[in-house]
Amino acid sequence: ETGVTQTPRHLVMGMTNKKSLKCEQHLGHNAMYWYKQSAKKPLELMFVYNFKEQTENNSVPSRFSPECPNSSHLFLHLHTLQPEDSALYLCASSQEDSSYTEQFFGPGTRLTVL
Amino acid sequence: GQNIDQPTEMTATEGAIVQINCTYQTSGFNGLFWYQQHAGEAPTFLSYNVLDGLEEKGRFSSFLSRSKGYSYLLLKELQMKDSASYLCAAKDSNYQLIWGAGTKLIIKP
Repeated sequence: ETGVTQTPRHLVMGMTNKKSLKCEQHLGHNAMYWYKQSAKKPLELMFVYNFKEQTENNSVPSRFSPECPNSSHLFLHLHTLQPEDSALYLCASSQEDSSYTEQFFGPGTRLTVL
Repeated sequence: GQNIDQPTEMTATEGAIVQINCTYQTSGFNGLFWYQQHAGEAPTFLSYNVLDGLEEKGRFSSFLSRSKGYSYLLLKELQMKDSASYLCAAKDSNYQLIWGAGTKLIIKP
């Protein structure tokens, strides 16, 4: 596997379900990100992990819970979601040691909350 | 507040040239990125500008004017595969990326 991988690619869940999204990066990067992408809206940064430490939580509701067990893996645990949480959830990674650091994205998980 | 503005949608003809504009307002500035995103796929990096001027990379070029808070992406010799969304993002003083909503580019034969 190369780059950034995400599973599952598609997820349909009810509002009472609990599920987890998984992201893995094979690039040796030290930072990982969760983004939410809704139609015709800018990418919304949800969480940032730098060297496994969470450095950013952009007022994300507590029904989203991130976990970063090591610098290569990132999870997003979901529980009691709302229909408005339906979106594409993108994971990204980067090597944060200069301002010129492009982010590499995974293919995303298309989430539908019924 | 911090803001990125870019057109929602543009249409161009195969073989032609198109310019996608982006204006930004951020707290501090540490560079401007352009990404390409095909429908249903991940965004992929196209270009980075931190100094004023034009950066050319094959058929794609990106321009930055820091004093005007302005950038554009220029695509030449358009091909059908260039149909995609183009995302503009600026890095602020905290090195966080502020994203635009993207410009959907439609290429017609």
